[in-house]
Amino acid sequence: SQQGEEDPQALSIQEGENATMNCSYKTSINNLQWYRQNSGRGLVHLILIRSNEREKHSGRLRVTLDTSKKSSSLLITASRAADTASYFCATDVGGNNRLAFGKGNQVVVIP
Amino acid sequence: NAGVTQTPKFQVLKTGQSMTLQCAQDMNHNSMYWYRQDPGMGLRLIYYSASEGTTDKGEVPNGYNVSRLNKREFSLRLESAAPSQTSVYFCASVKTGTGGSPLHFGNGTRLTVT
Repeated sequence: SQQGEEDPQALSIQEGENATMNCSYKTSINNLQWYRQNSGRGLVHLILIRSNEREKHSGRLRVTLDTSKKSSSLLITASRAADTASYFCATDVGGNNRLAFGKGNQVVVIP
Repeated sequence: NAGVTQTPKFQVLKTGQSMTLQCAQDMNHNSMYWYRQDPGMGLRLIYYSASEGTTDKGEVPNGYNVSRLNKREFSLRLESAAPSQTSVYFCASVKTGTGGSPLHFGNGTRLTVT
């Protein structure tokens, strides 16, 4: 079954704006990861946040994790056209890298 | 450094035909995975191999078999393809089977079964 559920499913923004995506999950997790997928390509790892962390930054990316609400958010600041992609959250329940992926958010950044 | 390489990139099969999807990684990773991606469904785990010599079923293993040929290679076999197996198949690898490491993905094999 799908563990992660992203919301919203599709987002269209102007270059320079911020993009926020949310992900909810159903069971306790060891860690949560975000991946990006460009059209026709494989997934690329963006950032990982562990269950004992609440916020993490990497460049223009900011991830938060609320284990009480079983949810996470990914914020991309100052978006660029190159950020156009699908973004997936994935949860690691058992701490063994058997990831359960959400259905993905499609983000279009308009130049 | 090629990372994770999948072959072929595209394949069309007729119902009932068989084929093997190949995956190789050159990062000396221990664990390898096969996922399928369908529109609106995200990625679903088919099989995984925590280490050389071991394989385990994932969420959707029916209709598939796998072989961990050596540490580098992990193949996925469809013995009798069905239209429901039309999908994009991704292979991934990770250094260790313990949690907290990012997966490295190949660029996928796009399979159509008619």
